[in-house]
Amino acid sequence: GESVGLHLPTLSVQEGDNSIINCAYSNSASDYFIWYKQESGKGPQFIIDIRSNMDKRQGQRVTVLLNKTVKHLSLQIAATQPGDSAVYFCAENRSGGGADGLTFGKGTHLIIQP
Amino acid sequence: DVKVTQSSRYLVKRTGEKVFLECVQDMDHENMFWYRQDPGLGLRLIYFSYDVKMKEKGDIPEGYSVSREKKERFSLILESASTNQTSMYLCASSGGTRATGELFFGEGSRLTVL
Repeated sequence: GESVGLHLPTLSVQEGDNSIINCAYSNSASDYFIWYKQESGKGPQFIIDIRSNMDKRQGQRVTVLLNKTVKHLSLQIAATQPGDSAVYFCAENRSGGGADGLTFGKGTHLIIQP
Repeated sequence: DVKVTQSSRYLVKRTGEKVFLECVQDMDHENMFWYRQDPGLGLRLIYFSYDVKMKEKGDIPEGYSVSREKKERFSLILESASTNQTSMYLCASSGGTRATGELFFGEGSRLTVL
């Protein structure tokens, strides 16, 4: 069964607001997590990743938070822009580590309202 | 930049036909993957390979096979296409046996089986 999931299939936010996309995972042994962005007609693209020995990591306008106690992962996007409109997937390492690929959640479609 | 190229963006095939989906990566990555993506189900791993001539089953290998004769090329084969294999197919690659886990994706191949 799936070990990584997302709480909401769709999230609508106003342009300029902050967005928070959530993800729950069930495998407490997972040690690597990653967020991907997929725009319409394109393959998924890397946004940011985090290892289990960290609880927060920041990139450009994005922050990933990891709460291992409740097995929860979130992606925060600051000052959301129209170009942020996409489907966002969280993912974790499969049991064998990096060579075995990633297990993905179902995705959240972020819609930006003008 | 890493480039993963899928030879066909759109294909239409008939039930029972044999289908080949080709993928080439130019970063000398050891690991290659085939996922399928369906609405509401996210990305699911079909097969992967961590070396030439090696292959491992993913989560949904039934009805598929793969071939890895050269390091840069990973092919997905549908021996006898069925309508439930209509989907978006995504190829990905990553480097190293204990790589960070980040996958680099192609643009996808949308297959319709009539």
